[in-house]
Amino acid sequence: KNEVEQSPQNLTAQEGEFITINCSYSVGISALHWLQQHPGGGIVSLFMLSSGKKKHGRLIATINIQEKHSSLHITASHPRDSAVYICALADMYSGGGADGLTFGKGTHLIIQP
Amino acid sequence: GAGVSQSPSNKVTEKGKDVELRCDPISGHTALYWYRQSLGQGLEFLIYFQGNSAPDKSGLPSDRFSAERTGGSVSTLTIQRTQQEDSAVYLCASSWGGVGAEAFFGQGTRLTVV
Repeated sequence: KNEVEQSPQNLTAQEGEFITINCSYSVGISALHWLQQHPGGGIVSLFMLSSGKKKHGRLIATINIQEKHSSLHITASHPRDSAVYICALADMYSGGGADGLTFGKGTHLIIQP
Repeated sequence: GAGVSQSPSNKVTEKGKDVELRCDPISGHTALYWYRQSLGQGLEFLIYFQGNSAPDKSGLPSDRFSAERTGGSVSTLTIQRTQQEDSAVYLCASSWGGVGAEAFFGQGTRLTVV
């Protein structure tokens, strides 16, 4: 089973700072998701990556398949970015399969004004 | 609708009562997943439906939990004789089901058992 490690677990930063959240895993994957969970519990899927880099607004996600590592970056952070950010892996041979996704424990981000 | 829809968004129930949580997946998605996130915990897999195959129920925590998916579309997660430890956010996701298929998540149902 894939082991997922996210870092940091908690991050508090000032508005405007550049934020990086990391996700490392142990076994080859077919895809990696970055999810944003709001304080109320609702989840938004930010990105799905299988290689390279994706950008959406102030959010950038990168993945290095060889190093089994992905990063989520937030530029010009804002208090509304405060949320839990979760990486989730689709294992290479499961196709999202019987266990669905393997989730990291999440990074709790607080952006202070 | 355009996304995965869950209802209700919030549910407060008394201990011992039964509850039903509903998930409307994206039209055409063959795979549907239920997850649970208890307070302070990570997301936990509960059950997986893929097409017409028998569901994988390996994640259900007890026989008080059951789920069905009618017509390959809407799914209902039922919790019988609710306990306080059942309080959690219950999340549904759907996908096309193929290798690496992107999972789309609903907003979740926050269940509180008092």
